[in-house]
This record gives sequence, C-alpha cells and structure tokens, in this order.
Amino acid sequence: SQTIHQWPATLVQPVGSPLSLECTVEGTSNPNLYWYRQAAGRGLQLLFYSVGIGQISSEVPQNLSASRPQDRQFILSSKKLLLSDSGFYLCAWTGLRNTEAFFGQGTRLTVV
Amino acid sequence: DAKTTQPPSMDCAEGRAANLPCNHSTISGNEYVYWYRQIHSQGPQYIIHGLKNNETNEMASLIITEDRKSSTLILPHATLRDTAVYYCIVSLVTQGGSEKLVFGKGTKLTVNP
Repeated sequence: SQTIHQWPATLVQPVGSPLSLECTVEGTSNPNLYWYRQAAGRGLQLLFYSVGIGQISSEVPQNLSASRPQDRQFILSSKKLLLSDSGFYLCAWTGLRNTEAFFGQGTRLTVV
Repeated sequence: DAKTTQPPSMDCAEGRAANLPCNHSTISGNEYVYWYRQIHSQGPQYIIHGLKNNETNEMASLIITEDRKSSTLILPHATLRDTAVYYCIVSLVTQGGSEKLVFGKGTKLTVNP
C-alpha cells in the first residue's frame, strides 16, 4: 500500500534561520508531488508541484524553494525564514490523472 | 485561483443530512469534481469525486447537475465527527499532464448535537 511520510511534525525556528522539510512517498512510482501551506484560519495555498525528478513548478513568489532529488522525495527549503513563513505545511501526492490525493500529516512551523 | 465557490459556513443537526453546495460554472468537459475534508490540524481527507454521473460511496453522495456547473455533497446522517472544513475542487491538468489541485476556502460545516 502507498504511504506518505512528512517530518518533523512541529518545528520552531528563529527568523533568518534555514529550513528543510522532507516528504517521502512509498508504494508508488512517478507520483505527482505537492507542497501546500495553510496559515492560521486560512485555506490551503498551493506552493509547489512536481511531475518528475528535477521538475518543479512554483505557484506563488515567495521565500521558499522546492527540490525533488529522487522520484519519491520532495523537499521544501528556505535559506532565511521570515515571520510570515509560519504556518501548517502539507505534502501530498497523486498518481494517474484524476485519482485522489493523499496528504501527509503536516508540519506546523512557527518562526519566532 | 480556485475554480469553485462555496458558502463559508453551514450548520447541521446531528443525524440529519448535510447538503454542501459548490459552484464550478467554468468547469471544462474533462475536469472532475473532487471533495475533500479537513479536520482541525490534520491533512485533508479524500471523500468522493465524479465527472458527470452521481456517485455514492460509504462516506457520502455526490450530485452533479446536468450542465456540470454545480454539485452537492451529501452526508446522509451527519455525526459530530463530520464537523470539518469541506473543500470542493475541480481538477486542473497542466501542459505537463500533471493534476494541479487548487483548493478554495471551503465550507466550515458544524454538526450540532
């Protein structure tokens, strides 16, 4: 069966520090991968999506970047965090077109 | 931007049917309608999806209008655990063939005892 792992579950980082969130998928190949962010009391904002290794599409200009070094690995990074980067970050994957999306449990990031 | 419009909030009595509407007037012929829900501090959970026919599974029913410009998610017997934010999504396909899932603000459903 397919599973998605996302870590850490919670993270508190100072302003200006770097960030690396990792997401891995098991039990499938060639998944489409997504990073979303949810600010407090807000909806889900699509940040990045990827259709293959090294192929990243950015949805909004921001302080973050994404990379896909392996087929089932998706990494969200920042060189210098801002207070506005605080939020709930979710990784997700989909398989063949028009199948359901599976979400990780999320990382709650607080920038202080 | 999301291609769907939903009411921001709804209330439902426990044990009654919850009917959540969604407008997607610009949907194209090969786009599906998906429903997800998100319970506080968790990742969204898939509920159901459909193209043009009505669909039913163990969680809910999906009614899509004949012109496909709107749909309704039906929870037949709502329980307190169904309290969540419900998202209606129209699947988007980019030039690369991927399915780009864009969430709107959803409907906050509160099931009252």
